[in-house]
Amino acid sequence: DVKVTQSSRYLVKRTGEKVFLECVQDMDHENMFWYRQDPGLGLRLIYFSYDVKMKEKGDIPEGYSVSREKKERFSLILESASTNQTSMYLCASSGLMNTEAFFGQGTRLTVV
Amino acid sequence: AQKVTQAQTEISVVEKEDVTLDCVYETRDTTYYLFWYKQPPSGELVFLIRRNSFDEQNEISGRYSWNFQKSTSSFNFTITASQVVDSAVYFCALRTYKYIFGTGTRLKVLA
Repeated sequence: DVKVTQSSRYLVKRTGEKVFLECVQDMDHENMFWYRQDPGLGLRLIYFSYDVKMKEKGDIPEGYSVSREKKERFSLILESASTNQTSMYLCASSGLMNTEAFFGQGTRLTVV
Repeated sequence: AQKVTQAQTEISVVEKEDVTLDCVYETRDTTYYLFWYKQPPSGELVFLIRRNSFDEQNEISGRYSWNFQKSTSSFNFTITASQVVDSAVYFCALRTYKYIFGTGTRLKVLA
């Protein structure tokens, strides 16, 4: 059974903290993605990676960075968490362009 | 620019009614892929269907059907004889090299 696993389902952090969201996939996929989901705004792409150590900015990269040291793992980093980063974060992975993305269960992050 | 528009924010129907969810996309690429995903209350996105830009054949899978029309840049999703279990948020997505999602349509099916 294919799987994308996010390290936490719920997370509460304080303003100014450095936050790490981890995502691991077991499908040997080249492509991995981080989205945030907010009511009325759908899924917005933060960053994606098409290979180890390769990354590209999505539509809303400000305040975030990513790391992909190994093919199976893609980390999202909030350098200094702010309350407007309170959201649901979804990780996804995919193979070739004609294939669907597989999603993790999501991490609901609250910054207080 | 690439964009996916789901103009219907929320739809409510009574069980057994048919319902169509609209999706309009924009891209200048000639090769692209379109997807529909379902997000039930549990939160995890579930893949429903994929279509490539060269295949305009409509598809039917049980109570679900999809109508792809390049002339209108639309990829609409119809649920026939809706059921309460169909209640979810449905997302349409476009992929060239990255996935672009619409804002989603929340479908409520009332018993």
